[in-house]
Amino acid sequence: QVQLVESGGGVVQPGRSLRLSCAVSGFTFSDYGMHWLRQAPGKGLEWVAVISNDGSNKFYTDSVKGRFAISRDNSKDTVYLQMGSLRTEDAAVYYCASAAGNTAWYWGQGTLVTVSS
Amino acid sequence: EIVMTQSPATLSVSPGERATLSCGASQSVSSDLAWYQQKPGQAPRLLIYDASTRATGVPARFSGSGSGTDFTLTISSLQPEDFAVYYCQQNNKWPLTFGGGTKVEIK
Repeated sequence: QVQLVESGGGVVQPGRSLRLSCAVSGFTFSDYGMHWLRQAPGKGLEWVAVISNDGSNKFYTDSVKGRFAISRDNSKDTVYLQMGSLRTEDAAVYYCASAAGNTAWYWGQGTLVTVSS
Repeated sequence: EIVMTQSPATLSVSPGERATLSCGASQSVSSDLAWYQQKPGQAPRLLIYDASTRATGVPARFSGSGSGTDFTLTISSLQPEDFAVYYCQQNNKWPLTFGGGTKVEIK
């Protein structure tokens, strides 16, 4: 049974940093790329970043380039999103998802990030 | 970036009726398009990938069609559990982009 469990969300002040984690089980993690996506309250979905199965390739949406970093630890079946210089517009539920091709296949339940002073 | 446009924003349909949702891309995405379903308080679920292939476990009443810039998701006979928001997403070029969603509500 595939499971993706995000953690690390919370309330953070603008300009500060936060690291999200996504622990995976039920499939061979090292065979698949992984996405991070987000959804602001009451809004639609936004793709944030993707990392290849071996970590060698990473892509980001423009609004987070230079501020966010995606990484993974295949020995721990975990993908991370290090978020820096947080802005109020980064507030959202953050989802991780497995990547089949570029498609976001299996999704976690999300972790809420609130950016507020 | 590729802009994805979905219509209508809201679709009111009676149970058992057919629903047709549209998705347009600002430039060709070939068949690199996915459809997702999201119910309130839940994570999105993949329904269709490669424009027309149903994901594992997705009922046959869901079908996708189209290529290039124009795509359609059809739900042949709406069931109570199908009332939700549906998003299309292009997977052809970075950054991956979503449409704004279509809410399918009970008429």
